[in-house]
Amino acid sequence: DAKTTQPPSMDCAEGRAANLPCNHSTISGNEYVYWYRQIHSQGPQYIIHGLKNNETNEMASLIITEDRKSSTLILPHATLRDTAVYYCIVRAGGSGNTGKLIFGQGTTLQVKP
Amino acid sequence: NAGVTQTPKFQVLKTGQSMTLQCAQDMNHEYMSWYRQDPGMGLRLIHYSVGAGITDQGEVPNGYNVSRSTTEDFPLRLLSAAPSQTSVYFCASTINNRVKKLFFGSGTQLSVL
Repeated sequence: DAKTTQPPSMDCAEGRAANLPCNHSTISGNEYVYWYRQIHSQGPQYIIHGLKNNETNEMASLIITEDRKSSTLILPHATLRDTAVYYCIVRAGGSGNTGKLIFGQGTTLQVKP
Repeated sequence: NAGVTQTPKFQVLKTGQSMTLQCAQDMNHEYMSWYRQDPGMGLRLIHYSVGAGITDQGEVPNGYNVSRSTTEDFPLRLLSAAPSQTSVYFCASTINNRVKKLFFGSGTQLSVL
């Protein structure tokens, strides 16, 4: 699996967009980029995932560079409730993969009033 | 749907004791897994199952046993608890091993004295 690199921490002002970067320079063609977050003491929560194209859902947007070596998770209007650890994970899809998701250290996002 | 339910929420054990952490899901998910999370660290995969009767090891399986006799339940057994197993344990499930959108339980905080 491709290794991911994330900054250990970031701050964001409430109401502003939070842009969380992830580097995955060794990503393979069949590997997806997944984002999860973990609010203090709770189980992780799925946010979004993508392969090549940019993706958007009700929680966030995912921007993947054309060479797929990096991506950015965007929370368009961060609130205090978005304070959490955000995990970027790269994993191959397909039935040959047994579904193991490996979580790293993630980025601690602090949203400030 | 209740989602993924873990019991108990808190447990204190003495070294050498055995216990079972319970995990149940009511979403008819084929894939279930167990993670542990130590303070300040990401999640590490212990064991996983791609369907009833099928289990496999993750990153840190030593000291833990699992079984999957039904689709709904995936208990994690500590045969002889050790202080190194003090951690927060999360159970997760998803539709099948091709889908990486995991649903997590709220966790079990285990202390081994």
